[in-house]
Amino acid sequence: DIQMTQSPSTLYASVGDRVTITCRASQSISSWVAWYQQKPGKAPKLLISKASSLESGVPSRFSGSGSGTEFTLTISSLQPDDFAAYYCQQYDSYPYTFGQGTKLEIK
Amino acid sequence: QVQLHESGPRLVKPSGTLSLTCTVSGGSVTSRANYWSWIRQTPGKGLEWIGHINYSGRTNNNPSLKSRVAISVDTSKNQFSLELSSVTAADTALYFCAGGAGFLDYWGQGTLVTVSS
Repeated sequence: DIQMTQSPSTLYASVGDRVTITCRASQSISSWVAWYQQKPGKAPKLLISKASSLESGVPSRFSGSGSGTEFTLTISSLQPDDFAAYYCQQYDSYPYTFGQGTKLEIK
Repeated sequence: QVQLHESGPRLVKPSGTLSLTCTVSGGSVTSRANYWSWIRQTPGKGLEWIGHINYSGRTNNNPSLKSRVAISVDTSKNQFSLELSSVTAADTALYFCAGGAGFLDYWGQGTLVTVSS
């Protein structure tokens, strides 16, 4: 299985900060990575597919980059609604796998 | 807008079979663009992909669940289903159905299934 290692596991930040979450794959997965946001009691919400393709309706302060084994999700200026958990997912090879998550908390 | 909704028993006895159904509205399970997936989430293991099925009934399942998983589709009802056999307490989780082309565009709200006698 492809392991997706996310860091950090918890990130403390303030409104207006620029934050970056990293996901490393245990082998090359080209650009087959998606990023999700999950709030308590809710299903994950797709933010980005194919490493950098922003989903319709997702604010432009979210961006994704990377290819091969290293990927990043960046939020350019944190808003109050952004404090949530974030997950990466690879869909290059079966079984699909997720990172363990990054919890973004208010500093 | 595609919406998904999980249904099924919330409590399953150990060694029994967990059965869940996902009803799709606003879209069709016969869409060639989508795979229809099951994912579960626990505090300890996080998000785990269980498997998916496509419009023709072709499935791919997570080998970690060995041969306990069966995913099927009912095109007449626009539904797809999960059966997980020989369950133990370790199968207690929040189960989601989802759809998308590898990445997961559409998600149900999730249903908590507890394995307990």
